[in-house]
Amino acid sequence: DVKVTQSSRYLVKRTGEKVFLECVQDMDHENMFWYRQDPGLGLRLIYFSYDVKMKEKGDIPEGYSVSREKKERFSLILESASTNQTSMYLCAGRGPINQPQHFGDGTRLSIL
Amino acid sequence: QKEVEQNSGPLSVPEGAIASLNCTYSDRVSQSFFWYRQYSGKSPELIMSIYSNGDKEDGRFTAQLNKASQYVSLLIRDSQPSDSATYLCAVNRKGGFKTIFGAGTRLFVKA
Repeated sequence: DVKVTQSSRYLVKRTGEKVFLECVQDMDHENMFWYRQDPGLGLRLIYFSYDVKMKEKGDIPEGYSVSREKKERFSLILESASTNQTSMYLCAGRGPINQPQHFGDGTRLSIL
Repeated sequence: QKEVEQNSGPLSVPEGAIASLNCTYSDRVSQSFFWYRQYSGKSPELIMSIYSNGDKEDGRFTAQLNKASQYVSLLIRDSQPSDSATYLCAVNRKGGFKTIFGAGTRLFVKA
């Protein structure tokens, strides 16, 4: 089975901090994704990556960046955290294009 | 028009009944279709994948795909209170990197 692991289940940070969310997958997937999920807004794609060092903006990239230095690890970076970035963050991995995504457990991030 | 549309619900069914969840999609060249279950506060969990027209059964779950009508559904037989969750429909376009997710349908199964 696919295993996607996010480093923290809960995280509390302060406004203006630089925040790193880590995601690791163990299935040698080329494709990895970062979403945020807010009540009433569904899943919104922040960034995705289809290979090492490759990244593409999703629907809401503003205020975020990503890093993919190794195939198994995809990091989401909040450059200067703001309260409107309080959310549930979900990482997903996927193999070939026609396959489903598999999600990590999520990180519930609170920015105070 | 949203790319993937679901009725937000809530859909309420009694225990033991069949729950029917529906989804329509706008891009005719979509080729892969998925249903995820998401419990409150948890991440989405894949429960069904379907790629060709017709029905696909897995235990109490049946996914149905009709590409001509751009419609995919999920039937849950013998619904249990533990099936109470939000169900997300998801679609991969042919050749596309992204998966498009619907907003989800909330299902309540009453004991």
